[in-house]
Amino acid sequence: RKEVEQDPGPFNVPEGATVAFNCTYSNSASQSFFWYRQDCRKEPKLLMSVYSSGNEDGRFTAQLNRASQYISLLIRDSKLSDSATYLCVVNEEAGGSYIPTFGRGTSLIVHP
Amino acid sequence: DTEVTQTPKHLVMGMTNKKSLKCEQHMGHRAMYWYKQKAKKPPELMFVYSYEKLSINESVPSRFSPECPNSSLLNLHLHALQPEDSALYLCASSQDRRANSNQPQHFGDGTRLSIL
Repeated sequence: RKEVEQDPGPFNVPEGATVAFNCTYSNSASQSFFWYRQDCRKEPKLLMSVYSSGNEDGRFTAQLNRASQYISLLIRDSKLSDSATYLCVVNEEAGGSYIPTFGRGTSLIVHP
Repeated sequence: DTEVTQTPKHLVMGMTNKKSLKCEQHMGHRAMYWYKQKAKKPPELMFVYSYEKLSINESVPSRFSPECPNSSLLNLHLHALQPEDSALYLCASSQDRRANSNQPQHFGDGTRLSIL
């Protein structure tokens, strides 16, 4: 299985800042893409799916660039509660199932 | 609240013990997964079940034995574990790819396992 690369950070930003994360993947046959958020000692929680057309959910915008094989996550007007690790996930097909490959996660710290 | 339920939440066991981790979902998902996660690392895939059949085993040692008794349940049987097996064990489920090509995984809140 191919690789998914993420900058581990940490990204240390003040409240109200805009921050962007990228994630690159090596398998051009990858099928679907997601961003998850994981708080310390908790399970990953789905933040949003990622599409080529881009999608937005409140302060969060995700984008897929298939030609360059990367996905991005933009967080506007950062809140203290946005502090977490953000994991990108790329699904590949194998053995009749979709097999997710996780990036190593990007740590975000939002400070007052 | 998570729709994937894992029990127990915490487990401490000796290296000679036998125990089982349990996972349950009632979302009609036909793909279920076990992951191991160490601190400050991403989840590491162990097993994938598709329609109650084991489809992926990521070269996991035989001291971990998965079982899928039905479409809602997934177990992980543990025997003769090593201290380095201490980790957070996460279960997840999703629609199988035959149902939909763009379905994310839903995670349980994990079992924190400590091997003495």
